[in-house]
Amino acid sequence: GAVVSQHPSWVICKSGTSVKIECRSLDFQATTMFWYRQFPKKSLMLMATSNEGSKATYEQGVEKDKFLINHASLTLSTLTVTSAHPEDSSFYICSAISGGRAGRNIQYFGAGTRLSVL
Amino acid sequence: TQLLEQSPQFLSIQEGENLTVYCNSSSVFSSLQWYRQEPGEGPVLLVTVVTGGEVKKLKRLTFQFGDARKDSSLHITAAQPGDTGLYLCAGGAGGTSYGKLTFGQGTILTVHP
Repeated sequence: GAVVSQHPSWVICKSGTSVKIECRSLDFQATTMFWYRQFPKKSLMLMATSNEGSKATYEQGVEKDKFLINHASLTLSTLTVTSAHPEDSSFYICSAISGGRAGRNIQYFGAGTRLSVL
Repeated sequence: TQLLEQSPQFLSIQEGENLTVYCNSSSVFSSLQWYRQEPGEGPVLLVTVVTGGEVKKLKRLTFQFGDARKDSSLHITAAQPGDTGLYLCAGGAGGTSYGKLTFGQGTILTVHP
């Protein structure tokens, strides 16, 4: 159980285009999902907290108009990188928790999306 | 802002050696998770500890949560090349930060055959 699917796993796009990344909880309902960014050989940096049916909460320094998050159902959250530029190239990872697991702060992670902006 | 200091950041050892990774904070955490991540993949949960002084064992891995719930350690006995990866500790605060985790800087472990 507790499987989180992230798609796509790798995307290459031209500068100025937008890219959508999907995060799905496959075998549980995720009341909350998180989006992280990770640089090579570094730890995870939290970008935003996504709650089903409400607006995402962004961490300080993260542009909400740049990184659009939608959590339309209990099993799906999407991150759209708008007008992507080469500096947005990174590894993006989502995680999900359900009510019970949230009490223990247990997050289950997707496999990540490697974004390369040319 | 809660901080979790993880050390060492890099560890390169020979197969069969033992090692310990530490996570320390001045803040109290309601729970602490350890994750292992391989390149190009997402972190995989190894263990969760929630009680001060708790010790959990997972085969050759021993996890300990400090009595005051401010620190934790991961000890690996007789490391194997398959243990190579990025190890992350993450603390959960509870309260208004329900579900949110504070991550340590990570430890990149390389076990040479």
